[in-house]
Amino acid sequence: QKEVEQNSGPLSVPEGAIASLNCTYSDRGSQSFFWYRQYSGKSPELIMSIYSNGDKEDGRFTAQLNKASQYVSLLIRDSQPSDSATYLCATYSGGYQKVTFGIGTKLQVIP
Amino acid sequence: SQTIHQWPATLVQPVGSPLSLECTVEGTSNPNLYWYRQAAGRGLQLLFYSVGIGQISSEVPQNLSASRPQDRQFILSSKKLLLSDSGFYLCAWSQGPYNEQFFGPGTRLTVL
Repeated sequence: QKEVEQNSGPLSVPEGAIASLNCTYSDRGSQSFFWYRQYSGKSPELIMSIYSNGDKEDGRFTAQLNKASQYVSLLIRDSQPSDSATYLCATYSGGYQKVTFGIGTKLQVIP
Repeated sequence: SQTIHQWPATLVQPVGSPLSLECTVEGTSNPNLYWYRQAAGRGLQLLFYSVGIGQISSEVPQNLSASRPQDRQFILSSKKLLLSDSGFYLCAWSQGPYNEQFFGPGTRLTVL
């Protein structure tokens, strides 16, 4: 079974710090990788996509992909209390039409 | 721009009653469509996906079914709800394989 693994947390960081969220996946054939943010009671919102090895930056967010290690991470710089949410890692695996999601890491940014 | 709608937003149903949840997408054509369920404190479980009208793939054999009567319409149904069907039901769309999925606002279903 193709899996995406995340530490469920909670991960607590002080306001202004860098939050580092990690994800590993089991399918070496995975092609596309995504990070979603989900506020409590709301639907997931796409915040980053990454398709090739290396870093991709978008504002305060940086996604990092290492296919050799089967590892994806999300860095949030200058963390704000509004960043407090659950962050879901996802990838296409087990078929090019289906996305597998991790359980999500709950992030708490402490003012 | 593309928009995805789901209704109803919340639903409380007795055990054994039928279910119909609807999802529509605007601003795109021939999208891939997905139904997920998220139980309380759990991850996203893929229930069904569709790559075209009338084409439905089921991921979890259970008392739920899905249909796609129109290109941008996806319906989730059940003839008889179980207590275990309670959860947050999410519809999503993507434009072809390997692309990002975008989620609708969701339907919170409580079966009593």
